[in-house]
Amino acid sequence: QSVLTQPPSASGTPGQRVTISCSGSSSNIGSDYVYWYQQLPGTAPKLLIYRNNKRPSGVPDRFSGSKSGTSASLAISGLRSEDEADYFCAVWDDSLSVWVFGGGTKLTVL
Amino acid sequence: QITLKESGPTLVKPTQTLTLTCTFSGFSLSTSEVGVGWLRQPPGKALEWLALIYWDDDKRYSPSLKSRLTITKDTSKNQVVLTMTNMDPVDTATYYCAHRNPAAGYDYWGQGTLVTVSS
Repeated sequence: QSVLTQPPSASGTPGQRVTISCSGSSSNIGSDYVYWYQQLPGTAPKLLIYRNNKRPSGVPDRFSGSKSGTSASLAISGLRSEDEADYFCAVWDDSLSVWVFGGGTKLTVL
Repeated sequence: QITLKESGPTLVKPTQTLTLTCTFSGFSLSTSEVGVGWLRQPPGKALEWLALIYWDDDKRYSPSLKSRLTITKDTSKNQVVLTMTNMDPVDTATYYCAHRNPAAGYDYWGQGTLVTVSS
């Protein structure tokens, strides 16, 4: 079981806004930056959000991140078929002294 | 442009030692605060962080795997090597190396290499 809890699945129709949650604790999300990754089938993870809410160059502003207390969220607006992928949250855990990842959320675009 | 690529055996036997090499370009591991990390992902499962080496040769390991892991770098060759001893079928996974940006975390990843542990 992952240290960070994500819903196993999420779905939406094109154009909709979907949100993916990531729940942790005071030793990880509550005390450090959260990162979000997108993983298309058979490919390496791609950084979508760093330091809670910052986007690397090239990532559309349809993707946004937020954090509150020991939880974080990734929001995708204007959903597109190419957004269908697995999404992972990640953060450093001060107690475990290790980077921890969420179990991943499979996003389906209906 | 930063790129990384993992190389190594695709099949190892139980109890053997796995050696993986990450060859990178587009950055130098002698640049302050830069690092290269190793992560893995068992089929259908979540990512797991394994180890990280910094520009100054500082090394960090996953506490649960520390006794089995060694990470080294060859700055002149732009390579980072990970060795994992006493391999077990549960270690079957896709192994990734990734560039660690001090401001943006693991921002560039290699394509990954699938390692199967089986007799």
